[in-house]
Amino acid sequence: LAKTTQPISMDSYEGQEVNITCSHNNIATNDYITWYQQFPSQGPRFIIQGYKTKVTNEVASLFIPADRKSSTLSLPRVSLSDTAVYYCLVEGGGNKLTFGTGTQLKVEL
Amino acid sequence: NAGVTQTPKFRVLKTGQSMTLLCAQDMNHEYMYWYRQDPGMGLRLIHYSVGEGTTAKGEVPDGYNVSRLKKQNFLLGLESAAPSQTSVYFCASGRLSYEQYFGPGTRLTVT
Repeated sequence: LAKTTQPISMDSYEGQEVNITCSHNNIATNDYITWYQQFPSQGPRFIIQGYKTKVTNEVASLFIPADRKSSTLSLPRVSLSDTAVYYCLVEGGGNKLTFGTGTQLKVEL
Repeated sequence: NAGVTQTPKFRVLKTGQSMTLLCAQDMNHEYMYWYRQDPGMGLRLIHYSVGEGTTAKGEVPDGYNVSRLKKQNFLLGLESAAPSQTSVYFCASGRLSYEQYFGPGTRLTVT
């Protein structure tokens, strides 16, 4: 399984764009990159998933460079309600996901 | 749709007691998972199932057993609870392994 490295914490203010970068140097050819969000006392929630280039949905964008050794989750115009832990995972078409410790995002006024 | 539900929400056990956590999903998902999450940590996979009647070990399976007799249910058993099993337990299900839907969690304390 590819190991991921992401910042332990990030701070931002309401209305700003937040970019969380994840490193996965050992990503395999058939690995996908997936991001989850977790609020306190709740289970994680799927945000976005991609293989290469750029993926966008109503919540976030995911940027993946050509070498796929890193990825960036972009959250546009964050609000207080985006304060959460964000997990970057790589999954190789198998049956399991490996969650790291994630990035604690704190959004302030 | 209720999604993924977990029973019970809270439980306190004494060391050596046994219990079963129930996970139910109404989305007809093939894959189901049990995770544990300790304070300040990410989730660790205990056991998982890729279909009715199948189970497999995850990252931290010791001290736990599971069963998937029906597609919609995934049971997690603790035969002899230990304080080290104090944690929040999350169940998840999905059609695809990378898109999992999580339940609300069960807070278990073993004294």
